[in-house]
Amino acid sequence: EAQVTQNPRYLITVTGKKLTVTCSQNMNHEYMSWYRQDPGLGLRQIYYSMNVEVTDKGDVPEGYKVSRKEKRNFPLILESPSPNQTSLYFCASSEDSYNSPLHFGNGTRLTVT
Amino acid sequence: AQSVTQPDIHITVSEGASLELRCNYSYGATPYLFWYVQSPGQGLQLLLKYFSGDTLVQGIKGFEAEFKRSQSSFNLRKPSVHWSDAAEYFCAVGGAASGGSYIPTFGRGTSLIVHP
Repeated sequence: EAQVTQNPRYLITVTGKKLTVTCSQNMNHEYMSWYRQDPGLGLRQIYYSMNVEVTDKGDVPEGYKVSRKEKRNFPLILESPSPNQTSLYFCASSEDSYNSPLHFGNGTRLTVT
Repeated sequence: AQSVTQPDIHITVSEGASLELRCNYSYGATPYLFWYVQSPGQGLQLLLKYFSGDTLVQGIKGFEAEFKRSQSSFNLRKPSVHWSDAAEYFCAVGGAASGGSYIPTFGRGTSLIVHP
């Protein structure tokens, strides 16, 4: 089954403790992206990747890192999480970035205390 | 820069009534337009998309959308709403952003409430 898998689904952590949210897709998609969803703000893009070893900032990249060492994986790294990064995070992939539909994971709800 | 506006934060309809969710976009060329639905606790799922050709596009779950270039709109419609349609709906535009990069842009979403 074609899917985007994120882990974990829920994560509670404390300020400053590094964490990684994993994302993997099995569709051989070139484009992958991370979004955060906050009430009233919709989806905002954090980082995206056009292909292996190619990443770029989205609208709200501050406080986040990503890497794309393999085509299927695109982890999101929070080196020093802060409470304002409490949010619902989605990973998405598509064949290309602008005219192919995005396939979304089921989300990771992160709480930083 | 491209942008998407969904003017309605919440829409409430009765089951069986018709539905129209509004979406306006700003884009310099012919846009690639999408509607996604997000059910509670789930990721977003594609309802339909418009690239070119017929301006009335059909999607899954009985939804359709009409592209109107003159109004820069891509409104989503359904003739008869079911209780299971209660969800968050997002309009999105694809294409080149400023600086030459490609970043799909989403509206802020419209929450659909369905009364029995």
